[in-house]
Order: sequence, then structure tokens, then C-alpha cells
Amino acid sequence: DAKTTQPTSMDCAEGRAANLPCNHSTISGNEYVYWYRQIHSQGPQYIIHGLKNNETNEMASLIITEDRKSSTLILPHATLRDTAVYYCIVRGGFNTNAGKSTFGDGTTLTVKP
Amino acid sequence: GAVVSQHPSRVICKSGTSVKIECRSLDFQATTMFWYRQFPKQSLMLMATSNEGSKATYEQGVEKDKFLINHASLTLSTLTVTSAHPEDSSFYICSARKRYQETQYFGPGTRLLVL
Repeated sequence: DAKTTQPTSMDCAEGRAANLPCNHSTISGNEYVYWYRQIHSQGPQYIIHGLKNNETNEMASLIITEDRKSSTLILPHATLRDTAVYYCIVRGGFNTNAGKSTFGDGTTLTVKP
Repeated sequence: GAVVSQHPSRVICKSGTSVKIECRSLDFQATTMFWYRQFPKQSLMLMATSNEGSKATYEQGVEKDKFLINHASLTLSTLTVTSAHPEDSSFYICSARKRYQETQYFGPGTRLLVL
């Protein structure tokens, strides 16, 4: 699996957009970008994933650069409940041996009132 | 949805005993399940990958005889920590993946404390 680099921590004001960056410069063509978050003492929660195109769902938007070497997770209107550790993971598809998720240290997002 | 449950949510046991943790996919068939371990203030560490009906594949450094994994059906995988010791105290998390799909869905975790 490709290695990812994320900032250790970020703060965001409640109600503002939170933009969490992730670098994955060694990503290969068939690897997906996944984002999960983990609220204290809980299992990780799936947020969004993408391959090439930008993606949006009810939780967040994922912007992937054209060269796919980096991406940004956007929480459009952060709330206090979005305070969590956010993990950016790059991995291969289900039909590959690299279809497992390897977690880095993630970004601790703190949403402040 | 895609809901994964774990049982028990927390367990305390004496050193030397064995503990079984169950991971269930409640509303989908999980052809692949993963087991992770997380120590305080650390990230998740993958322990093993199990495919239904076959032996689990363990990550380097994880003792397969100590951490027994059984994936007997498409909705259930179990992790048994044998002869548990205090250093096995940790947060154990499973995840499950549907057939032919990419996304993994995680359980809520099981907190194990070995005294």
C-alpha cells in the first residue's frame, strides 16, 4: 500500500469548512484513496473514497489532484461532533493482495466553538 | 447500510485465560474480514486478514497460534486471544468487506484488559 502523509493536528472553527490534506505521492494507478475517522474509543467510521474523480456524499467532499499525488477531505460545515482523528488511506482494490487498509497516524481535527 | 458489530464491547480477564471476540456483519455478507489492534494514543495496526472458508493471513510479527482467527461464515469471524497476558490488553477492532466491493466497514471495537 502507498504511504500517506498527513498533518498531525488541525483546528477548525465550528460552522466553517474543514480542509484536511493528504499526500500520497507514490500512489499507483489502481489504488483508491479512502478516508475514515475515529472518534475517541470507537471503531473507525467510513467517510468517503475515490479513484480519480472528485467525490461528494452527505458527509464530505473528496478532492483528488489530477496527478493523484494528493487529496483533500472537505467537511463543509464542521460541528463539534466532527472532532476526531481522520485517516487517509491508499489501497488497492478488493481483488488484489493490497486490498487491506494500512493506517498511518492520521490528523487530529479539533473543532472549536 | 453496512453495520458491523462486535461482542463483547469490553472484557476483563485473568492472565493465562483465553478470550474470544466475535465480529458480525449484520446486514451484508462479508467475504473478507480484518482484525486490527490499537494501543493507547497509537494508530490501528492490522493483525490479520481472513477470507470466509480459508485460513487467515497474519501480518508479520503477529503470532498465529496466540491469536486464533476463524471466519466460519459470511457473517461471522472470531478472534481468540489464547493464554492472554497483560501486554495483550488493547482495543481490538474488526472490519468487514462485501464481496466485489472496495469499502471496509468497521466494528465498534472490543476493549480487552488482562489482569
